[in-house]
Amino acid sequence: RKEVEQDPGPFNVPEGATVAFNCTYSNSASQSFFWYRQDCRKEPKLLMSVYSSGNEDGRFTAQLNRASQYISLLIRDSKLSDSATYLCVVTGWSTGFQKLVFGTGTRLLVSP
Amino acid sequence: SQTIHQWPATLVQPVGSPLSLECTVEGTSNPNLYWYRQAAGRGLQLLFYSVGIGQISSEVPQNLSASRPQDRQFILSSKKLLLSDSGFYLCAWRRTGQGLNTEAFFGQGTRLTVV
Repeated sequence: RKEVEQDPGPFNVPEGATVAFNCTYSNSASQSFFWYRQDCRKEPKLLMSVYSSGNEDGRFTAQLNRASQYISLLIRDSKLSDSATYLCVVTGWSTGFQKLVFGTGTRLLVSP
Repeated sequence: SQTIHQWPATLVQPVGSPLSLECTVEGTSNPNLYWYRQAAGRGLQLLFYSVGIGQISSEVPQNLSASRPQDRQFILSSKKLLLSDSGFYLCAWRRTGQGLNTEAFFGQGTRLTVV
């Protein structure tokens, strides 16, 4: 089982739509969670951290469900500029060192 | 503010040639440093990480090596490139000593094509 799993998509939605992505992780000891955005042929950039109580940043809402080991990202009122790949990131451990484990990403295409 | 520089942005190298990619971080000290590779249509694979000068750990066996000669400098190298080394190489840094909930910041990446 992969450490972090995401639906690769693509999710095709019209402008103004609401879209949600889920991500599951296998390591119950993971403590930190993030969503990154990656545009085509660019480096990943932090979209938002995910807190236990859930958090919102404008049109973006992130949720964490530790019992079921998944995190979610909700995007409301989608914009054309939201088209990108969204990467789920979870902390893991490697020989005593904390590392970030990336999912393969979910691709979002927002159309006019 | 902190910045991370990675170069070159693109590179085309013949099979069997050497490789050296450099990454430097400014505005912070003693960062954790990482090299990731992203193959076309794939996720980010952690190659190396470093918690300090001269301290390198490898995640996967491969044709590459890494070095950290200075606190904020991280170098990825190969003596002889393989076709399978093609990919998008990303350097990243994270703060240390501030708990566990710290994000990583990425350089612009190097797109390597081995021909």
